[in-house]
Amino acid sequence: ETGVTQTPRHLVMGMTNKKSLKCEQHLGHNAMYWYKQSAKKPLELMFVYSLEERVENNSVPSRFSPECPNSSHLFLHLHTLQPEDSALYLCASSQNAGTGAETQYFGPGTRLLVL
Amino acid sequence: GQNIDQPTEMTATEGAIVQINCTYQTSGFNGLFWYQQHAGEAPTFLSYNVLDGLEEKGRFSSFLSRSKGYSYLLLKELQMKDSASYLCAVRDSNYQLIWGAGTKLIIKP
Repeated sequence: ETGVTQTPRHLVMGMTNKKSLKCEQHLGHNAMYWYKQSAKKPLELMFVYSLEERVENNSVPSRFSPECPNSSHLFLHLHTLQPEDSALYLCASSQNAGTGAETQYFGPGTRLLVL
Repeated sequence: GQNIDQPTEMTATEGAIVQINCTYQTSGFNGLFWYQQHAGEAPTFLSYNVLDGLEEKGRFSSFLSRSKGYSYLLLKELQMKDSASYLCAVRDSNYQLIWGAGTKLIIKP
């Protein structure tokens, strides 16, 4: 497989559930990102990992917990979510985060619905 | 605050030309990106501008004026498959990417 993959593509969960989103990049990049995309709103950057170290955490609620075990894999652990957390969660990767011209490559996203 | 403005939705006819504008107010500037996103799919990179002027890539061109805080994406010879959302993003002085909400482009036969 090539590019950036995400699983699952769709997820429905109750507010008391615990689930995890998975992202894998096959591009040899050293930076990975989690974004939240809500309808008619700009992409919201949630977390950035560069060389497996978290370098960005944009005031995201603690019910979202990222994990980056290696440069190819990124997880987003979810627990006790709220209905307003329903959105498309996008993973991206790039080479050398924060250097200017680097392009981010996105996965297809996980469509999350919290009931 | 930092802000990216682009129209919410535009409609154009197959075979025609359409220009999608993006204006930005950011703390510094380190490049502007355009991405295309089809419904239910990943955003895909279209273009990157860091210097003023026009960058042409096939049917798509992107223009930048840093003094005006303005860019546009020009799509020529529109095809039905160009129906998608087009996202404008600016990298600020801290190399953070600031995103617009996207422009949904509808192509009619």
